[in-house]
Amino acid sequence: DTAVSQTPKYLVTQMGNDKSIKCEQNLGHDTMYWYKQDSKKFLKIMFSYNNKELIINETVPNRFSPKSPDKAHLNLHINSLELGDSAVYFCASSQVEGGETQYFGPGTRLLVL
Amino acid sequence: AQSVAQPEDQVNVAEGNPLTVKCTYSVSGNPYLFWYVQYPNRGLQFLLKYITGDNLVKGSYGFEAEFNKSQTSFHLKKPSALVSDSALYFCAVRDYYGNNRLAFGKGNQVVVIP
Repeated sequence: DTAVSQTPKYLVTQMGNDKSIKCEQNLGHDTMYWYKQDSKKFLKIMFSYNNKELIINETVPNRFSPKSPDKAHLNLHINSLELGDSAVYFCASSQVEGGETQYFGPGTRLLVL
Repeated sequence: AQSVAQPEDQVNVAEGNPLTVKCTYSVSGNPYLFWYVQYPNRGLQFLLKYITGDNLVKGSYGFEAEFNKSQTSFHLKKPSALVSDSALYFCAVRDYYGNNRLAFGKGNQVVVIP
């Protein structure tokens, strides 16, 4: 039983292309997140949605657009991919209350050539 | 804004010896503190958290952590390290009054030597 799943696992693409990453959680959580992990393993939050409403939007280029069709899904669309977008993107979910644990997906490894 | 410091880049420990991974934090209010572990090419796995109550928190795989408010620390410990504990460990904090934004430390690579 996969709690937080992401597709695809690997994504290799050319600069300038548009790509999407999908995330689904079956934990019944009301909040979902996108994180970016760079080559030095630094983790930084990008977006968070609570009940399909955007609640965290960090300083992320507007080429990145999250979409939450329902509480269980949060997708990330990236336009005009750049070399610097190469990273591992993690989806996570939790209940909104502060002490609740965030559970992470396996990650999507994006390589822009 | 909340922040976390993990001062060491890598922690080397012999198998069977005690393991400690250090973490200090900064928040404006009461903290919620978390430890996660990341194995190669995997996602982050939750180990344990401190919300309130007993300062000593026990978690998965024999790990524990001690919350020290005066030193603003939340060090991760394991009495006897296993080779399989070799991984990247992240400390994270969020502010009690904030939104659900977790601030992560840079991570510590733990290498357990057989």
